[in-house]
Amino acid sequence: NAGVTQTPKFQVLKTGQSMTLQCAQDMNHEYMSWYRQDPGMGLRLIHYSVGAGITDQGEVPNGYNVSRSTTEDFPLRLLSAAPSQTSVYFCASSYGSGLSEAFFGQGTRLTVV
Amino acid sequence: AQKITQTQPGMFVQEKEAVTLDCTYDTSDQSYGLFWYKQPSSGEMIFLIYQGSYDEQNATEGRYSLNFQKARKSANLVISASQLGDSAMYFCAMREENTGNQFYFGTGTSLTVIP
Repeated sequence: NAGVTQTPKFQVLKTGQSMTLQCAQDMNHEYMSWYRQDPGMGLRLIHYSVGAGITDQGEVPNGYNVSRSTTEDFPLRLLSAAPSQTSVYFCASSYGSGLSEAFFGQGTRLTVV
Repeated sequence: AQKITQTQPGMFVQEKEAVTLDCTYDTSDQSYGLFWYKQPSSGEMIFLIYQGSYDEQNATEGRYSLNFQKARKSANLVISASQLGDSAMYFCAMREENTGNQFYFGTGTSLTVIP
């Protein structure tokens, strides 16, 4: 039972580089989301999706792109990495209706130098 | 306004004692859910307990219980008989059914269990 699979676990980027964080879930969840976690700030929502083909911005979307071509996958793209994007990133999924809990990936620790 | 407020950045508790982690929330939605997650030093997010806004009884899951006071908009987590393995960050979260279904997280409380 894989749940939410997030890759890579660690990544170091140089300023200006681009990269994609991968997220896949096998629970047929409609709702998927990306968060960043910074010390003292909890988890802040970057982007979310309520189903294939539908995405929307969260609290801190600048510098990030997402797409949702399938129910299973929700990649997060950093267009031109900046040191301010150094953070731990979490992907999460849940059922879209009702009030079910979110299931989280293992997290990606990203450092931009 | 913050949707979720956790006012205790750090807490200490003696092993085998009970501890309460505070959480207040802000919503005008009638239907919402409240969640607690644990994040140990290894980094993963572990779901602990859920309380629905229409649930009349406080939720319990083993040593975890949620002290739900709807009128005060508080959803405190009570951990009974603390164990060393309870040392972790704890996050309170809310999901509103009628406004986008997003999760809102608090800033977390770091709990240290002292032997």
